[in-house]
Amino acid sequence: DAKTTQPTSMDCAEGRAANLPCNHSTISGNEYVYWYRQIHSQGPQYIIHGLKNNETNEMASLIITEDRKSSTLILPHATLRDTAVYYCIYLSGANNLFFGTGTRLTVIP
Amino acid sequence: DVKVTQSSRYLVKRTGEKVFLECVQDMDHENMFWYRQDPGLGLRLIYFSYDVKMKEKGDIPEGYSVSREKKERFSLILESASTNQTSMYLCASRKTGGPETQYFGPGTRLLVL
Repeated sequence: DAKTTQPTSMDCAEGRAANLPCNHSTISGNEYVYWYRQIHSQGPQYIIHGLKNNETNEMASLIITEDRKSSTLILPHATLRDTAVYYCIYLSGANNLFFGTGTRLTVIP
Repeated sequence: DVKVTQSSRYLVKRTGEKVFLECVQDMDHENMFWYRQDPGLGLRLIYFSYDVKMKEKGDIPEGYSVSREKKERFSLILESASTNQTSMYLCASRKTGGPETQYFGPGTRLLVL
């Protein structure tokens, strides 16, 4: 299984940017980094993915370091509804996604 | 938007019962997956299918079977439910080619008594 390392938990004030880091030092050159989140008792929700360049969509931005060994997911203006567990994932020769334990983000009013 | 639906959000069954979990996706995806999620263990792949009538075992297929008779539908079957199959079951789908983005259903929380 492809391993990523994320902090267990983080807090963020409502309206501020939430920056969630992820280390993926064993990623290879053609493997995408994916971010998902899971709100309690719901299925995982796809957020964003990237290969080398930084990416932005309506939900978040993804910053990938030049050596591709780490990335940061940015929620620019966190709301209470962003409270969830955030997973950073990449595939390594497998057809399934290994989610690990993720980062539990709590947005505080 | 991709939509993946699962037949039930919550299900309670008795030991030994046959259980059917249904999953339907509306985006013409070739690949479909069944996972179970348990505290501290993350998501574990049970079975996946890359085409109609095709199936492949995942990491924990024992005690489960699957059926893919139509492209949009992937069923998970517990032949004889046991208490250790109490879990959250998640279905996902993915298009062949390109990034490996999987889209998940809302999950079915199964309790086997």
